[in-house]
Amino acid sequence: DAGVTQSPTHLIKTRGQQVTLRCSPKSGHDTVSWYQQALGQGPQFIFQYYEEEERQRGNFPDRFSGHQFPNYSSELNVNALLLGDSALYLCASSLARGPVNTIYFGEGSWLTVV
Amino acid sequence: DQQVKQNSPSLSVQEGRISILNCDYTNSMFDYFLWYKKYPAEGPTFLISISSIKDKNEDGRFTVFLNKSAKHLSLHIVPSQPGDSAVYFCAASARRKSSGDKLTFGTGTRLAVRP
Repeated sequence: DAGVTQSPTHLIKTRGQQVTLRCSPKSGHDTVSWYQQALGQGPQFIFQYYEEEERQRGNFPDRFSGHQFPNYSSELNVNALLLGDSALYLCASSLARGPVNTIYFGEGSWLTVV
Repeated sequence: DQQVKQNSPSLSVQEGRISILNCDYTNSMFDYFLWYKKYPAEGPTFLISISSIKDKNEDGRFTVFLNKSAKHLSLHIVPSQPGDSAVYFCAASARRKSSGDKLTFGTGTRLAVRP
């Protein structure tokens, strides 16, 4: 049973560029959340997708957008990249009506903005 | 505003001894608390959780204590093993038993268990 898979694992982008990160949730899960973990910080909630719609959003600018596909996989898009966007981006999958302690995280995508 | 705080960035303990990791929160709406463990180059993995209706939850070597009046929780690891060396995150949710809510994380405590 595959867990949460994310791609790419590492990437380097230039300021002003755009990036797309991808996530496949754990089998059977229908909800995908994205978190940003800056160096030395804990993960910060970006947004959550369920039934192909953004259900909740954290305190992140509109440059951060996402999408969920019918197969529950998801993308995170960041436009007009800033140096401060350099971080580990974590995808978490869960079941919409499942318990909180069954949220599974992927290994993350390391984004470096230069 | 940091709603979940882990004031100790690092902790070092001897193998076999007890490790105590602390976490404080400020949001009274939090009703479910979780501890995650994170190794380098891996995503956080769920360790143990506690609902606000309890004050203790135990799972093998891991016990979490919750003091609601003090808005404080702690994770006890007994006995500590070298394989426990990792970063531990405290997280909180404002909706019990629903993964529909977001998790609010602390900044983490790096635990080093010395052989």
